Amino acid sequence: EIVLTQSPGTLSLSPGETATLSCRASQSVSSSYLAWYQQKPGQAPRLLIYGASSRATGIPDRFSGSGSGTDFTLTISRLEPEDFAVYYCQQYGRSRWTFGQGTKVEIK
Amino acid sequence: QVQLVQSGAEVKKPGASVKVSCKASGYTFTRYDMHWVRQAPGQGLEWMGIINPSGGSTSYAQKFQGRVTMTRDTSTSTVFMELSSLRSEDTAVYYCAREHSSVIAFDYWGQGTLVTVSS
Repeated sequence: EIVLTQSPGTLSLSPGETATLSCRASQSVSSSYLAWYQQKPGQAPRLLIYGASSRATGIPDRFSGSGSGTDFTLTISRLEPEDFAVYYCQQYGRSRWTFGQGTKVEIK
Repeated sequence: QVQLVQSGAEVKKPGASVKVSCKASGYTFTRYDMHWVRQAPGQGLEWMGIINPSGGSTSYAQKFQGRVTMTRDTSTSTVFMELSSLRSEDTAVYYCAREHSSVIAFDYWGQGTLVTVSS
């Protein structure tokens, strides 16, 4: 099973700053099968990025994804108040899906 | 618009079973695979398995093999997830999630169903 490790666990930033979230895989992941989700308290996750770098429908362009192989990054530019949440990366491989443990982006 | 509406919260005793439903609307039910994901209190997301609503084929995470059964009813566009031999560690919010048709990602999610296992 491919293990995804996200860092940092918590990121404390102010509105307007840029958040850089990391997702590292224990084995190489196809970029086509790497996604990012946002989850707010009491809500279901929301798809942000698929295929490592493609924004899902309705996602603002301040969200961007990059990376390949075992290292992937989610960047949130110009943080808005509604962006403070928990973010998960997800991968598909060998008929299995796994999630990272999440990164919490909190207001500093 | 696409909607996934799940059944309500459940309280079960250890050793019992629970069956959660997820009713889909707003799209052709049989064209998109459905997944189940759970989240224990204060924890991350855990993939449980997938069902193909067209043929009914399933694939489960190894952790749940033998305890989970996913089924569907095409006449009502509903998928079901049944988890047996419940233990306290199964207390979690259970989500159904539709797989995006072109890429491997979950584009629509149900609202979640809290299952509490307590004696």
